[in-house]
Amino acid sequence: ETGVTQTPRHLVMGMTNKKSLKCEQHLGHNAMYWYKQSAKKPLELMFVYSLEERVENNSVPSRFSPECPNSSHLFLHLHTLQPEDSALYLCASSQKKGGPNSPLHFGNGTRLTVT
Amino acid sequence: AQSVTQLGSHVSVSEGALVLLRCNYSSSVPPYLFWYVQYPNQGLQLLLKYTSAATLVKGINGFEAEFKKSETSFHLTKPSAHMSDAAEYFCAVSENNAGNMLTFGGGTRLMVKP
Repeated sequence: ETGVTQTPRHLVMGMTNKKSLKCEQHLGHNAMYWYKQSAKKPLELMFVYSLEERVENNSVPSRFSPECPNSSHLFLHLHTLQPEDSALYLCASSQKKGGPNSPLHFGNGTRLTVT
Repeated sequence: AQSVTQLGSHVSVSEGALVLLRCNYSSSVPPYLFWYVQYPNQGLQLLLKYTSAATLVKGINGFEAEFKKSETSFHLTKPSAHMSDAAEYFCAVSENNAGNMLTFGGGTRLMVKP
């Protein structure tokens, strides 16, 4: 139990499908993140939500759409994905102002395969 | 801008041998530095962090890392490798006060031979 729960663990979807990834944190944190982990590439920060503020990596395509309804839940809505979007998507949480004494806590990820 | 370079995408050691995983960073301000470990089919777990206090940082599972400003390095070591140490290790740097906008290195996969 990591305190950050991601569902589903595995997802296979076609390029025309719409799906959503879910993340829930039970740590009382006020910042949540989506990271993309592709083979042979460094982890890529996609989105940050903290204290109702959103920060995004401008290189993330619009076919990825985050939603953060409250400080405990984070979604990543997916539509018309491409095969190169296949990756492990990791959710993380932290205290925004906690400094390095409040590092990131990661979930176990959703393994996404786009066919 | 900050960046992290991990030399060696794969490192193989024998059980009981010294583990040395290299990390060099670039940062325009004094950095916060982290090592994370990822076991198969799991997310990343914090091993240790440098926060400008002691330059030698001890983490979990017997790992430690030394911050060397002159070399811009933060190498991870463990005196004696165990089979359970086989995993992927990520070095990360942060420049912001909250320490949570991390830039990760490409990772090093550690293999431990019996």
